[in-house]
Amino acid sequence: DADVTQTPRNRITKTGKRIMLECSQTKGHDRMYWYRQDPGLGLQLIYYSFDVKDINKGEISDGYSVSRQAQAKFSLSLESAIPNQTALYFCATSEGVAEGSARETQYFGPGTRLLVL
Amino acid sequence: GQNIDQPTEMTATEGAIVQINCTYQTSGFNGLFWYQQHAGEAPTFLSYNVLDGLEEKGRFSSFLSRSKGYSYLLLKELQMKDSASYLCAVRDRRSSNTGKLIFGQGTTLQVKP
Repeated sequence: DADVTQTPRNRITKTGKRIMLECSQTKGHDRMYWYRQDPGLGLQLIYYSFDVKDINKGEISDGYSVSRQAQAKFSLSLESAIPNQTALYFCATSEGVAEGSARETQYFGPGTRLLVL
Repeated sequence: GQNIDQPTEMTATEGAIVQINCTYQTSGFNGLFWYQQHAGEAPTFLSYNVLDGLEEKGRFSSFLSRSKGYSYLLLKELQMKDSASYLCAVRDRRSSNTGKLIFGQGTTLQVKP
């Protein structure tokens, strides 16, 4: 079984609709992240969370909100979807260890492909 | 500010060696990661450098020069399955307690027979 799972894997929605993307992990990691990826732009950080009580904005948080329901679950919501939110969305986790450690690498879920019409 | 530059595309021949460069500017460096991403799939971790020098892992090696703000990923004995995007990501000291990474736009490598 995959360590980081995302649902749904594909979603088509209409402008103005509210949608939620879900992420679950079995790695026991404290840190979780949401990214979006657009062609030619690389990965952009939307929100990240240290633990259940901690939520932080990333580079491009406008139009998005998140919820950390448990250590293992981190959801991303688009309150009112718009076409330029069409992208590939990735959830990632990391362990949270001493700085300068390779164990701080991030592990990515399979992605959710979102199309907003 | 932070800035990471990689070539957009590269092409190489099966069996050959290819070097993918990454230059970065950051306010206090604290680690550089390389990821591989096949089209439509999740990025997967390849290598990590925090000290100057070469880290070797099978066919893949990664080099870092902190004074030059420069890294490269070296792929030897290229195989068709190595066709993918290669992402360079940097962590700076301000992000060291969050694990936040800044990603380059990625280099798409096409391996030809």
